[in-house]
Order: sequence, then structure tokens, then C-alpha cells
Amino acid sequence: QVQLVESGGGLVKPGGSLRLSCAASGFTFSDYYMSWIRQAPGKGLEWVSYISSSGSTIYYADSVKGRFTISRDNAKNSLYLQMNSLRAEDTAVYYCARSPPGLYYFDYWGQGTLVTVSS
Amino acid sequence: QSALTQPASVSGSPGQSITISCTGTSSDVGSYNLVSWYQQHPGKAPKLMIYEVSKRPSGVSNRFSGSKSGNTASLTISGLQAEDEADYYCCSYAGSSTLGVFGGGTKLTVL
Repeated sequence: QVQLVESGGGLVKPGGSLRLSCAASGFTFSDYYMSWIRQAPGKGLEWVSYISSSGSTIYYADSVKGRFTISRDNAKNSLYLQMNSLRAEDTAVYYCARSPPGLYYFDYWGQGTLVTVSS
Repeated sequence: QSALTQPASVSGSPGQSITISCTGTSSDVGSYNLVSWYQQHPGKAPKLMIYEVSKRPSGVSNRFSGSKSGNTASLTISGLQAEDEADYYCCSYAGSSTLGVFGGGTKLTVL
């Protein structure tokens, strides 16, 4: 069955960096578009970044542009989010989510990993 | 991109029907039949309930249905059950070279 397992979250000081990972299994990872979506405590969902199946197309939310970098390793069935210059407002649960190729919805989500930015 | 507008909360009794609205603009909801809906129980990951306005993924109850008129999409849940109590989020495609946009979420209470 489809599984997405995030890791790498934790407590980091403002200005610090963190790298999130999402391990995929149960499907042909290289066929699917992937996204990172976050949810601040008690708040709604925010689409953070998106990467196409080959990695050739990448988008970022304005709130993270220039600070976050999404990447994927299809040989390792893994998705990554490098987060630099972290701010308190980046505190959230970060989910990785799968989208069928060329389609704009998320059919499977991971369980999420919590990132807390605080001094 | 501004968030889509959803009511903060809705409620209904078991067996009743409720509708959650999701209002966007002519740049997102109004221009594309690419609205999806997600159900989220406390402490859990979101689950896809409706995609492309009105399509239901395999395994999702037919009590859930979606529609769209102009810049507003809607999720209707019929025959409310206690297990439907959750937060619901809409999401719309907003054009190439941008990410999509989510609604602020609606808390459904089953009385």
C-alpha cells in the first residue's frame, strides 16, 4: 500500500536550518508529482512547494521562496525539503503529499513531521 | 494568492445534510474545474474526499458530493454520521507557474 513517511523535524533556533525527508513506498515514486504542505498549530493548510516527477518543474510559495529548496531522488524513492533562514512563522507540521502526474490534487499524505522554530 | 473563503464552522444532526462553501475568484475556482476537498480529523493527516469538483476517490462514501457554481465550490455531506465530525479544507488550482490555494478550513460538528 502507498506509504509516505516524513522525518527530520525538530526544534531549531531562528535563522537555523533543517532538512526534511519523505520516504515513499508502495508505488512508482518516479511517476508522481510531490508536494510539501504545512499546517501551523491550530491553523489551516498551506501549500509550500511542489516538484514534478522528473524534478524539472518546481514551485514555491512566496512565503518560503529563496529560503526553502525542494528536491527528490527517484532512485531512493525520497523527497526532501531543505529549509534555511528559518523563522518563527515557519513553525508547523510539514506533510509530504502525492499528486497523480499532471493533476492538481493530493491523493495520499504522510503523517507529518513537526518543525518548531524558537529560541 | 489569497486563501479561499470557507465558513469557520457548520453543524448538523445525525442523518441531516450539510453544505460547506468555498469561495474563490475568477483566477482560481471560477476558471478551473480543479477543486478538491480534504477531511482532517484531530491529530491526523488530511484525506482526499473529492477531486476535480465532483469526483469521489475509491473508498470514499457516496454521502460526500461536490459541485461548483461560478467562483464558489461546495461540499455536501448527506446522512450525517458522528464520524464525519472533522475539519474540511477546499483547494483550487490557480494557474500555471503558481501553487494552488487552500481554504481556511471549516469545522464540522455533528450535534
